[in-house]
Amino acid sequence: NAGVTQTPKFQVLKTGQSMTLQCAQDMNHNSMYWYRQDPGMGLRLIYYSASEGTTDKGEVPNGYNVSRLNKREFSLRLESAAPSQTSVYFCASSVGRFNSNQPQHFGDGTRLSIL
Amino acid sequence: GEDVEQSLFLSVREGDSSVINCTYTDSSSTYLYWYKQEPGAGLQLLTYIFSNMDMKQDQRLTVLLNKKDKHLSLRIADTQTGDSAIYFCAETGSGGYQKVTFGTGTKLQVIP
Repeated sequence: NAGVTQTPKFQVLKTGQSMTLQCAQDMNHNSMYWYRQDPGMGLRLIYYSASEGTTDKGEVPNGYNVSRLNKREFSLRLESAAPSQTSVYFCASSVGRFNSNQPQHFGDGTRLSIL
Repeated sequence: GEDVEQSLFLSVREGDSSVINCTYTDSSSTYLYWYKQEPGAGLQLLTYIFSNMDMKQDQRLTVLLNKKDKHLSLRIADTQTGDSAIYFCAETGSGGYQKVTFGTGTKLQVIP
C-alpha cells in the first residue's frame, strides 16, 4: 500500500551542490507533480507532468529541472542549490483522465536544507 | 489566475465543532477538496465535493458549498485532539489536464 514514495526524507546541502529528489507512484497514475511548501505560503507548484513524456513549468520553476523517467517515476533536480531553495518538497500524482475527479495523492515529503 | 484563500489559524475546544472556511475565485471549478496535513507528513485527502452539490456529509465531516459566493466550508463535529493539523482547501477546473490550486492552509489547534 505504498502510494507515492519520496526519497530521501531529509537532506542537507551546501550552496552550489546539486541533488536529485526521487518520486515514484504505484497507482498507475498519469499525472505527477512537484510542489514546495514554505511557511505561510501554502503549496506552490514547481513542475508537473500531465502524462508520460511531457513536463511543464508550474508557478516557481526557476532553479529546478525535472525528468519523467517513465509512468511511475518523476524526479526533481536542483543543479546548483541556493539557500532560497530550503523547503519541504512534495511529490503528488493523480489519475489524469480528461474531465474526471482528480484528487492528488501526496508523498510524505523531502525536507531539504541548503546551508 | 485562480486564487484560493483561507484564514491561517483556528482554535477550538475538544468536543466543540470546528468550521474552516475557504473562498475561491475560479468560476469554472468542478471539484473542491479538503486535505489534512499532520506534522511531518504529506497531505491526505479528507473529502471532496462536486460543484453541482451544495452539501456532502461523511461521518463527522460536513462540506458546504455556496457556488454563488464561491465559498466552501468544512465542519468537523465533536472535534478531537487528533484533528489538530493544517487543513488545505483546493479546487480544480474542467477539461483536459486539471491544475489544482491550493489555499495556504488553516492550522487547527484543539485545546483539551
